[in-house]
Amino acid sequence: GAVVSQHPSRVICKSGTSVKIECRSLDFQATTMFWYRQFPKQSLMLMATSNEGSKATYEQGVEKDKFLINHASLTLSTLTVTSAHPEDSSFYICSARTEAGDTQYFGPGTRLTVL
Amino acid sequence: AQTVTQSQPEMSVQEAETVTLSCTYDTSESDYYLFWYKQPPSRQMILVIRQEAYKQQNATENRFSVNFQKAAKSFSLKISDSQLGDAAMYFCAYRSAIRTIGKSTFGDGTTLTVKP
Repeated sequence: GAVVSQHPSRVICKSGTSVKIECRSLDFQATTMFWYRQFPKQSLMLMATSNEGSKATYEQGVEKDKFLINHASLTLSTLTVTSAHPEDSSFYICSARTEAGDTQYFGPGTRLTVL
Repeated sequence: AQTVTQSQPEMSVQEAETVTLSCTYDTSESDYYLFWYKQPPSRQMILVIRQEAYKQQNATENRFSVNFQKAAKSFSLKISDSQLGDAAMYFCAYRSAIRTIGKSTFGDGTTLTVKP
């Protein structure tokens, strides 16, 4: 199956700093990538959908100036959490889909801890 | 808007036995896709099985099979010969077949425990 990588897998940062998370599709071209946030024992909460070369579409309630998403190529999307605060601590998951594909493939996730 | 409901927050099964996880969904669309994903303790989401709504035949993948009832909007997952490695959180997901609607809707998940 298709492989999606995420980097870093874990990150600890101080409050007020920015953190960038990378999501890469390793063996296919991802025209669409999705960013999710997941709290323990809960479902995935979609934050935004990004299409290569265009602006991301954010879900209601997600601050686009705080969670910056860039999908500059068909294999890479980045999520930058700006001015992180402890309440941003969470597990962030990306997933990717080809233009013709009907299935989303998920990255392994990034655990963000903001001190 | 589409909704996906998993009414069983937790389920348990004895090793080697069979268990069925329930999922219902609500949609006004006639063409769509349904998925079951597994999230083990590593938290890596793994695709278990997918079903196209236009196909009447239920999808199967080795020990995993679905019971797709389109009229009832039901999509249950049956795990046969349960193994310890099946212990995980399982999510049911819906995705429209309309290409401009790319995102999936997920249920709240069912935590499956497998007892040795």
